[in-house]
Amino acid sequence: EAGVAQSPRYKIIEKRQSVAFWCNPISGHATLYWYQQILGQGPKLLIQFQNNGVVDDSQLPKDRFSAERLKGVDSTLKIQPAKLEDSAVYLCASSLSPRETDTQYFGPGTRLTVL
Amino acid sequence: SQKIEQNSEALNIQEGKTATLTCNYTNYSPAYLQWYRQDPGRGPVFLLLIRENEKEKRKERLKVTFDTTLKQSLFHITASQPADSATYLCALIQSGGGNKLTFGTGTQLKVEL
Repeated sequence: EAGVAQSPRYKIIEKRQSVAFWCNPISGHATLYWYQQILGQGPKLLIQFQNNGVVDDSQLPKDRFSAERLKGVDSTLKIQPAKLEDSAVYLCASSLSPRETDTQYFGPGTRLTVL
Repeated sequence: SQKIEQNSEALNIQEGKTATLTCNYTNYSPAYLQWYRQDPGRGPVFLLLIRENEKEKRKERLKVTFDTTLKQSLFHITASQPADSATYLCALIQSGGGNKLTFGTGTQLKVEL
């Protein structure tokens, strides 16, 4: 079974530029998550989708971050404009459903460096 | 304020010994607690889930305990091997919080020959 796919794996941009990350979850997984992991910290949930609807985006900095999952399958996360403090690994995860006991499967992440 | 604390310093142990990692939390009422393993350059991988009404859970060489009175979980790896070297993360799911994970900062484990 293919895992969660993410691209690109690495991205370096200047501050104030825009960047987009792509995620393709495990086939059949209805729930998709985006996390931000700053070096030395645990992942922090940014947004959770159930099919193509947003379940939780309480920790998403909406003035600069946006995310969509238009057809309920793959998803994109965008930052516009980027700040130095956005340097982090952006992890995508998916689960079969939003039930508490459903395992979340993580992709390899996209490492973003903002200069 | 809410906090999830794990040993910030790396844990170095000898092969064959038991590694014990700690996860302490403040101002949370978790219904579930999970442990994940993360290798450099990779996403976290799920290891174990324990419910608030369970005291202990085992899986092969892994054991997790959950004490809601002490607000603490302990994660044990018995007969540790160099391949167990990684960062281990605990994550909480609050009651009624759906599948929203709140992670600790992680503890780096290094198993030496």
